[in-house]
Order: sequence, then C-alpha cells, then structure tokens
Amino acid sequence: AQKITQTQPGMFVQEKEAVTLDCTYDTSDPSYGLFWYKQPSSGEMIFLIYQGSYDQQNATEGRYSLNFQKARKSANLVISASQLGDSAMYFCAMREGQMSNTGKLIFGQGTTLQVKP
Amino acid sequence: DAGVTQSPTHLIKTRGQQVTLRCSPKSGHDTVSWYQQALGQGPQFIFQYYEEEERQRGNFPDRFSGHQFPNYSSELNVNALLLGDSALYLCASSFRASGGTGELFFGEGSRLTVL
Repeated sequence: AQKITQTQPGMFVQEKEAVTLDCTYDTSDPSYGLFWYKQPSSGEMIFLIYQGSYDQQNATEGRYSLNFQKARKSANLVISASQLGDSAMYFCAMREGQMSNTGKLIFGQGTTLQVKP
Repeated sequence: DAGVTQSPTHLIKTRGQQVTLRCSPKSGHDTVSWYQQALGQGPQFIFQYYEEEERQRGNFPDRFSGHQFPNYSSELNVNALLLGDSALYLCASSFRASGGTGELFFGEGSRLTVL
C-alpha cells in the first residue's frame, strides 16, 4: 500500500534562511506523482510543487525546490530565503500514476513550520 | 477567476443528524474530490466525482455519499453523524483531460463539529 511519512512534527527557521522539510514515501508502483501543499490557518491547501517519478530533473518553483532521491524514496521540500508568511502546515502527498486523472492523493501527517523574525 | 468555493464554512450538528456540504469547482474544472481532515492529521480521500458519477472511493462507510450536478458542482452528504465525523471537509477540483500533472485545487473547507 502507498504511504507517506513526514517525521518532523514541527520545525523552526530563522527568517531569510533555508529550511528542508522531510518526506519519505513507499509504493510498489513505478509510476507516481509527488506533491507538496501548504496549509495556512485558513484551511485552504495551496499547491507548491510537483515531481513525477520519471522526471529526470528535480522540480523547482520559485523559492521552492524538491530534492527527489528515487532510490531512497525521499522527496524533501527545500524552501529558500524563508519569509514570515511561510509559517504554516506543510503536507507531502503521493498519487498513483505520473500523469493520472485520479483525485486520490495519499497525504502525510504534515510538518508545522514556524518562521522566526 | 473564481477558485474552489465551499459552503458552509462552519457548522455544528448533533449525533445522529445528517449534513450536506457544497462545493463549486474552479472555473474550467470538471472533476471534484472530497477529503476529510481530522484535527492534526493529513487529509484522507473520501471519493471523486466525474460526469455526475462516483469514480473512485476511499475507505469510508456508506454513510458518506455524494452527488455531482451538470454544472460540475458537488455535494457531500453524511448521515447518522458520529462524534468522530468532526473534521475539516475539503473539496478539490481538477480538469480530467488536462494531460498534465492533474494538480488538485482545494477550497478552504467546511469545518464540521458534531456534539
């Protein structure tokens, strides 16, 4: 069965510094997609970045980058130059199939990030 | 461009009652998925609707049912409410034939409290 593990319940980072949020996954399917979402206190899940299992390069989106290590089954999120507005809950999620229409994502337990001024 | 909208934002029910939650997908999207997020947990997939039919279902009892309308909006119904149904219910929309990553766009959720 597919599973996502986020081992850091809470993280602190100083403003303007970089931070890495850990995510490991388990699947027997060779084709899958990995997502990171941010959830502020408002509740909305905000899409940050996507990595497909067959993508050759690590994904980047502005200040977000995904450190994808397929052999280790890890997909860590790196946030550079942290801002106070980055304080939120962050979820790693996985979907079967790299280019799939399924709405089913498997989410981890989340990591709470607090950015200190 | 309107994003995913959900209503109501908050509601309180008592055990045994029934509740209906509503979702309007992002403009141009035709697929709606529902998730339940208990406090301090990650969201769990309930089901997905496309072309007015349930296409995929997670591990939830039959008390959870849904509907999709011709305009792609959707409802989530929960019967015989239990205390454990207290959660944030998230709706996510996507465009099925996008051929891309199939990114899900989420609403802000409906927070249900069962007393």
